Amino acid sequence: KAGVTQTPRYLIKTRGQQVTLSCSPISGHRSVSWYQQTPGQGLQFLFEYFSETQRNKGNFPGRFSGRQFSNSRSEMNVSTLELGDSALYLCASRRGEGRGDTQYFGPGTRLTVL
Amino acid sequence: AQSVTQLDSQVPVFEEAPVELRCNYSSSVSVYLFWYVQYPNQGLQLLLKYLSGSTLVKGINGFEAEFNKSQTSFHLRKPSVHISDTAEYFCAAGGYQKVTFGTGTKLQVIP
Repeated sequence: KAGVTQTPRYLIKTRGQQVTLSCSPISGHRSVSWYQQTPGQGLQFLFEYFSETQRNKGNFPGRFSGRQFSNSRSEMNVSTLELGDSALYLCASRRGEGRGDTQYFGPGTRLTVL
Repeated sequence: AQSVTQLDSQVPVFEEAPVELRCNYSSSVSVYLFWYVQYPNQGLQLLLKYLSGSTLVKGINGFEAEFNKSQTSFHLRKPSVHISDTAEYFCAAGGYQKVTFGTGTKLQVIP
């Protein structure tokens, strides 16, 4: 079974631009979560989507948004990029229906904002 | 609300020595506990998980963890570490929907 895939793996953008990251979950998984990882703040939860609906949301500004499609693939968008948005963005999928569901992570997208 | 505390941000240990990475959680409801490992420039990989049953959980790469309900702990152990175990380790607690991660512990194995 294929794992979680994220594209692109690396991105370089400049301040003020916007960016879209993509995540394809494991087949059969309906939940996709996004995390931001930085050396200073660690792993921070952005949001979770389940069956095309946002189910949980972390404490990030509205510049960070996401969506999920009917095939469970998810995209994350960051508008008006700031230097502080430079981070590793991780996507994780799980079935999302049961207790103790295991999250499986993708390799991440490394975003650098110049 | 759940919270997960990893008491040590960095743990240096000599090769072939034992190691314990500490994790404490707080929750008002039953939780499910996980340990993940992250190698440089990679995503997180599941090491082991506790859902119910035996409190001693064995995972991949020779790691094991013990669930202690009275101390609300889920410490990760390995009897003999290898250079390849150098990585960052994350403890996580999950309820029905949300999974909460600790801040991570960097394990540095010294040759």
